[in-house]
Amino acid sequence: GENVEQHPSTLSVQEGDSAVIKCTYSDSASNYFPWYKQELGKRPQLIIDIRSNVGEKKDQRIAVTLNKTAKHFSLHITETQPEDSAVYFCAAPSWDSFNKFYFGSGTKLNVKP
Amino acid sequence: DVKVTQSSRYLVKRTGEKVFLECVQDMDHENMFWYRQDPGLGLRLIYFSYDVKMKEKGDIPEGYSVSREKKERFSLILESASTNQTSMYLCASSPGQEKTQYFGPGTRLLVL
Repeated sequence: GENVEQHPSTLSVQEGDSAVIKCTYSDSASNYFPWYKQELGKRPQLIIDIRSNVGEKKDQRIAVTLNKTAKHFSLHITETQPEDSAVYFCAAPSWDSFNKFYFGSGTKLNVKP
Repeated sequence: DVKVTQSSRYLVKRTGEKVFLECVQDMDHENMFWYRQDPGLGLRLIYFSYDVKMKEKGDIPEGYSVSREKKERFSLILESASTNQTSMYLCASSPGQEKTQYFGPGTRLLVL
């Protein structure tokens, strides 16, 4: 099966600093790489996604970069705020199915005020 | 706004019991998924379904089965619950391939 590795498992930053979370994957049939945010006690929700025809995508303070050759993609959060504190999951498509995704183990981000 | 609901938020069952977890989505999505979430392991796919009565195994199907008799409803069945099935179970749906998954609120299952 697919192997998605996500680092770091925990990340603590000061409010206003940047945070970077990285994921690598072993193989993929698809071009779609989403990131989900899960606040404490809540369901995961999509925050940004990228398709392989672009190398970077930005949405306000959040950006995602993708390097399909190296098989890694990263989430960048700038000017972090306390409400960014959550667990973030990357996901990569399976090598054999466009419907199936493998999730990383999650990064717990703590933004200190 | 997509709505995915799960039948229970918390459930306590005894070892050996048959357990049903139900998930309903109201957006006519083709795909539905069942994951379990454990600390440090992320979300692991148990089963998914891409159409009514169609299903495919995920990474950890052992001890589980699923049923999708109607498009909006996807059920996860634990044939004989065991303590190692204590976990958070998340249902999700998506409108098709390479599309956003929308998650339900989760069911926290405790098997004693």
